[in-house]
Amino acid sequence: QKEVEQNSGPLSVPEGAIASLNCTYSDRGSQSFFWYRQYSGKSPELIMFIYSNGDKEDGRFTAQLNKASQYVSLLIRDSQPSDSATYLCALPSSASKIIFGSGTRLSIRP
Amino acid sequence: ETGVTQSPTHLIKTRGQQVTLRCSSQSGHNTVSWYQQALGQGPQFIFQYYREEENGRGNFPPRFSGLQFPNYSSELNVNALELDDSALYLCASSLVPGQSGNTIYFGEGSWLTVV
Repeated sequence: QKEVEQNSGPLSVPEGAIASLNCTYSDRGSQSFFWYRQYSGKSPELIMFIYSNGDKEDGRFTAQLNKASQYVSLLIRDSQPSDSATYLCALPSSASKIIFGSGTRLSIRP
Repeated sequence: ETGVTQSPTHLIKTRGQQVTLRCSSQSGHNTVSWYQQALGQGPQFIFQYYREEENGRGNFPPRFSGLQFPNYSSELNVNALELDDSALYLCASSLVPGQSGNTIYFGEGSWLTVV
């Protein structure tokens, strides 16, 4: 059974700082990963998709994948209050199924 | 706005009752997946339908069942409701049964409360 582990938080970061969110996974064969953002009461929204070792950057977001250590992280630069949300790490388990972590609550304080 | 619509948005049911949740997938998408998200948890995969056939199922009892129609819309039915069924039910549509998050779109969900 593939698993994804996240610290539930809350993680509190001052506005303008870098927020660092981490995720570990159990299956060494996992190839690709997603980061979703979920605002309270809303559905998950895909923000990053990464499938190769190293960094992938998109605007203020950088996803980092380290397959040898089995972790994936998400960095948010210049954090804004609008970044306050729950961030879900996820990976495809099969052609039909995505396994989600329990999410990390991020709070950006002004 | 993902183009995936779900109904109803909120509902309250009594333990033991049955509920039907509905999902209209994004235009052109023939695959619909359903997820259950309890408070404080990540979404849990219930099942997926592809071209009107079940194409994978998670660890949910048989009282969770589904349908997909020729227009690719879908229903999730839950019988004999239990208190633990209270959750946000998410529908996700995609073009094909794939693993690329770039092609999976979530609806806004249906909040179910069982009392």
